Amino acid sequence: EADIYQTPRYLVIGTGKKITLECSQTMGHDKMYWYQQDPGMELHLIHYSYGVNSTEKGDLSSESTVSRIRTEHFPLTLESARPSHTSQYLCASSESGQLYEQYFGPGTRLTVT
Amino acid sequence: QQQVKQSPQSLIVQKGGISIINCAYENTAFDYFPWYQQFPGKGPALLIAIRPDVSEKKEGRFTISFNKSAKQFSLHIMDSQPGDSATYFCAASSLDTGRRALTFGSGTRLQVQP
Repeated sequence: EADIYQTPRYLVIGTGKKITLECSQTMGHDKMYWYQQDPGMELHLIHYSYGVNSTEKGDLSSESTVSRIRTEHFPLTLESARPSHTSQYLCASSESGQLYEQYFGPGTRLTVT
Repeated sequence: QQQVKQSPQSLIVQKGGISIINCAYENTAFDYFPWYQQFPGKGPALLIAIRPDVSEKKEGRFTISFNKSAKQFSLHIMDSQPGDSATYFCAASSLDTGRRALTFGSGTRLQVQP
């Protein structure tokens, strides 16, 4: 059973607001990821982190930013939310080395009105 | 640029039947091919995975078939059950990138009818 948590699960917010999506894992994993899931299901990598103080952009361009100050915590921030940011955001983590399994959190469904 | 192509987009199977989902990839550097299962309101969960050094892997009712020369792999669900109704994603990753992030297929919605 994976121990990776995301809050909030659902968020409806107005345009221009600043939001932070929280992601925490208790498995001590070095690598963490943020994926954006389209309404049509496909997942796209938007951010990843190798470890503390290491973050990089993913394949899909995103106006969001991330930070990794603690191993277990990988929050995603939108400084000014727009309707185009409406989506499902999924956080995942994995161990380093040869074990590739990624454990996903339950996701945050964001709606920007 | 879609590096992993998945089909079909949706699939309806009768209980007890075989569900088959196919994926094709382009990047020959991919060396890990997992399948994820996602139920509504949940994050994806690893179902089964394969490396390119084997042509088939079986875990219970779930089997991955892998064809390296054709750059294709597929998921077979034997004796499909209504509880298997979910969205299935194939994925691939490469150690070359260092980050081990997954490139996902577009997903297949499976419905198993009782």
